[in-house]
Amino acid sequence: EVQLVQSGAEVKKPGESLKISCKGSGYSFTSYWIGWVRQMPGKGLEWMGIIYPGDSDTRYSPSFQGQVTISADKSISTAYLQWSSLKASDTAMYYCAKIYDSSGYVFDYWGQGTLVTVSS
Amino acid sequence: SYVLTQPPSVSVAPGKTARITCGGNNIGSKSVHWYQQKPGQAPVLVIYYDSDRPSGIPERFSGSNSGNTATLTISRVEAGDEADYYCQVWDSSSDHGVFGGGTKLTVL
Repeated sequence: EVQLVQSGAEVKKPGESLKISCKGSGYSFTSYWIGWVRQMPGKGLEWMGIIYPGDSDTRYSPSFQGQVTISADKSISTAYLQWSSLKASDTAMYYCAKIYDSSGYVFDYWGQGTLVTVSS
Repeated sequence: SYVLTQPPSVSVAPGKTARITCGGNNIGSKSVHWYQQKPGQAPVLVIYYDSDRPSGIPERFSGSNSGNTATLTISRVEAGDEADYYCQVWDSSSDHGVFGGGTKLTVL
């Protein structure tokens, strides 16, 4: 059974750094792209970026390029999303999701979400 | 950047058919995927590659895509179908994905 288990909720102050995680199991972690999706409070889904854990190739939405870093540690089947300096506007739910194939880049399995709250 | 446009809301009576549209420039040339998100839950894939259904998704859910509009159709709508629905494509010209703004389906 494919599972994506995300790290727990975080409460941070503006300017702090943060790295959240997403551990995949039940499939070949290095053979499928995995991505991150933001959902701000009461708003829609936003496509952030994806990584291919096999070779760490990444793709970012222009809206998030330079704002976050996506990485993966294939030895522990875990993908990461990190910020070097958080802003209040980073407050959101963040989902990781596995990609079905590298043709349509459809998200077929999703993690449970990690709530990030940034407040002074 | 490629833009997908969805109506903010659609309302339908139980047992009727709901149609949720997703507009984009020549979207018919792209593969469209649809997700259902209920309050407090992660999204769930309901249609992929325009019209394919993942296992476990009822046959009442179907999709089509042509020209500048993709459509998610839900037949014999049930109260449990009430949710937000999002379309998504891969923009190959800029190498990233895009979501539509989402449509709130209300079952009257």
